[in-house]
Amino acid sequence: EAQVTQNPRYLITVTGKKLTVTCSQNMNHEYMSWYRQDPGLGLRQIYYSMNVEVTDKGDVPEGYKVSRKEKRNFPLILESPSPNQTSLYFCASSMGQAGEKLFFGSGTQLSVL
Amino acid sequence: GESVGLHLPTLSVQEGDNSIINCAYSNSASDYFIWYKQESGKGPQFIIDIRSNMDKRQGQRVTVLLNKTVKHLSLQIAATQPGDSAVYFCAENPQDYSGGGADGLTFGKGTHLIIQP
Repeated sequence: EAQVTQNPRYLITVTGKKLTVTCSQNMNHEYMSWYRQDPGLGLRQIYYSMNVEVTDKGDVPEGYKVSRKEKRNFPLILESPSPNQTSLYFCASSMGQAGEKLFFGSGTQLSVL
Repeated sequence: GESVGLHLPTLSVQEGDNSIINCAYSNSASDYFIWYKQESGKGPQFIIDIRSNMDKRQGQRVTVLLNKTVKHLSLQIAATQPGDSAVYFCAENPQDYSGGGADGLTFGKGTHLIIQP
């Protein structure tokens, strides 16, 4: 089944403790992206990747890192999480370049205490 | 960048009625639009898309209408069912996909569709 898989689904952590949210897609998509979703603000792009070893900042990249060493994986790294990074995170991928139909993962609900 | 917006945060309809969810966009250069459905606890799911060279596109029980003159997009759901209860949001791509685009899709904030029995 074609899908985007994120892990974990839920994560509670404390301020400053490094964490990684994994994302993997099995559709051989070139484009991958991370979003955060907050009430009243909608989906906002954090980082995106056009292909392996090619990443760039989205609208809200501060406090986040990403890597794209393999085509299928696009982990999101929070080196020193803070409470304002408490949010619902989505990974997405698309076959073509940015702006094409995105396929989303099921989301990761992160709480930073 | 410019934003995509929706007219109503909540829309309540009777089961069996048709639903119309509206979206206003501000970027006249946008040439590709998508509607997503997001059920509680799930990721957004693709419903239907439309390119700017069209003004109407139909899917199964859904129709998207695009009015470029007033920069308005709408999603029509026929014979609304309980399973249609979700948040619906539109997204636009300010640039044609063939030309690439650094930022990709811009999303609206969503309309929560509530189905009354």
